[in-house]
Amino acid sequence: DVKVTQSSRYLVKRTGEKVFLECVQDMDHENMFWYRQDPGLGLRLIYFSYDVKMKEKGDIPEGYSVSREKKERFSLILESASTNQTSMYLCASSPQTRPETQYFGPGTRLLVL
Amino acid sequence: AQKITQTQPGMFVQEKEAVTLDCTYDTSDQSYGLFWYKQPSSGEMIFLIYQGSYDEQNATEGRYSLNFQKARKSANLVISASQLGDSAMYFCAMSSTDSWGKLQFGAGTQVVVTP
Repeated sequence: DVKVTQSSRYLVKRTGEKVFLECVQDMDHENMFWYRQDPGLGLRLIYFSYDVKMKEKGDIPEGYSVSREKKERFSLILESASTNQTSMYLCASSPQTRPETQYFGPGTRLLVL
Repeated sequence: AQKITQTQPGMFVQEKEAVTLDCTYDTSDQSYGLFWYKQPSSGEMIFLIYQGSYDEQNATEGRYSLNFQKARKSANLVISASQLGDSAMYFCAMSSTDSWGKLQFGAGTQVVVTP
């Protein structure tokens, strides 16, 4: 079974803090993604990566950056957290052979005070 | 630009009955894929079913089937014989085959299955 894990289920941070959200997948998938989920808006793509050290902007990259130093790990960084970044963050991965099928982690619910 | 619309914010369905979740989409791409995901209260997104725009037959996966009507740009999900465990949020999504990573999601439909 594909397993995508996220470092925290719940996180509370203060405005201005630097926040790291970690995602690890154990199925050697090439593709990895970060989404945020807000009520009434569905999921929106923040960043994705097709390979180590590669990254592409999604639909809402402002205020975020990412890092992919190893194939299995994809980190989302909030350089200076703001209250409008309070959200549910979901990580996903997919194999190059079936890129259309994304496997999601359990999500991190982030509250920025 | 792609857009996914799910007009039903929520619905109740009785156990063992079938339910149809509506999804319409808009795209200028010729080749694309349509997806349905389930999100239980635990938060994890679970892939249910996929339909390619050039697939002639509607996709089926167990109790899930996708009613694909290309001319109407609709991709409704049908869940047959609903079970209590089907209570969840359901998301329709699409992606151009040029860029599989960029999934566009609808706002979701909350389904509650009652005994």
